Amino acid sequence: NAGVTQTPKFQVLKTGQSMTLQCAQDMNHNSMYWYRQDPGMGLRLIYYSASEGTTDKGEVPNGYNVSRLNKREFSLRLESAAPSQTSVYFCASSEGGNTEAFFGQGTRLTVV
Amino acid sequence: QKEVEQNSGPLSVPEGAIASLNCTYSDRGSQSFFWYRQYSGKSPELIMFIYSNGDKEDGRFTAQLNKASQYVSLLIRDSQPSDSATYLCAVTDFNKFYFGSGTKLNVKP
Repeated sequence: NAGVTQTPKFQVLKTGQSMTLQCAQDMNHNSMYWYRQDPGMGLRLIYYSASEGTTDKGEVPNGYNVSRLNKREFSLRLESAAPSQTSVYFCASSEGGNTEAFFGQGTRLTVV
Repeated sequence: QKEVEQNSGPLSVPEGAIASLNCTYSDRGSQSFFWYRQYSGKSPELIMFIYSNGDKEDGRFTAQLNKASQYVSLLIRDSQPSDSATYLCAVTDFNKFYFGSGTKLNVKP
């Protein structure tokens, strides 16, 4: 059982380039999330999707877009990468409501 | 903006001692409370969750919740060097998880 799978694990982008981070879960969870983690800042919510077909902004959505492609997949797109977006990105999923979240292995993104 | 506050540490305890990790939160409407452990370079993994006031025990771990004081804690008994990690407190407001910045725990052999 794979759980939550993110691709890629590492990425280096030049300022202004675009890319999409992919996330898929096989736990039939309703809710999916994208977080970024910076040193000393904890996990900050970028976007979330409470159910298939819905997405909502989190704490730090500027510079990002998301797509809930189906129940399994939730992608995060950086249209024009900036050095401030250098971070570790985590995808997570949960059944919804107030149940626990399960995390993918993370994507370490560096923008130069 | 919902705030979840944790002391960043590091908290150093000797092997076999009790480690006490604390967390406060700003939103009285928070529904559920979670403790995650994160090893360096790895993703967070769930240790415990608690929904109701009081204590909840699972092996060496005990979570304590006091909604009136907006306070949640994690006690680790008989601490082991393998417990050395960053511990993240999280609270939910139906479908949204809010995380603290984490407390780094060092267990010295």
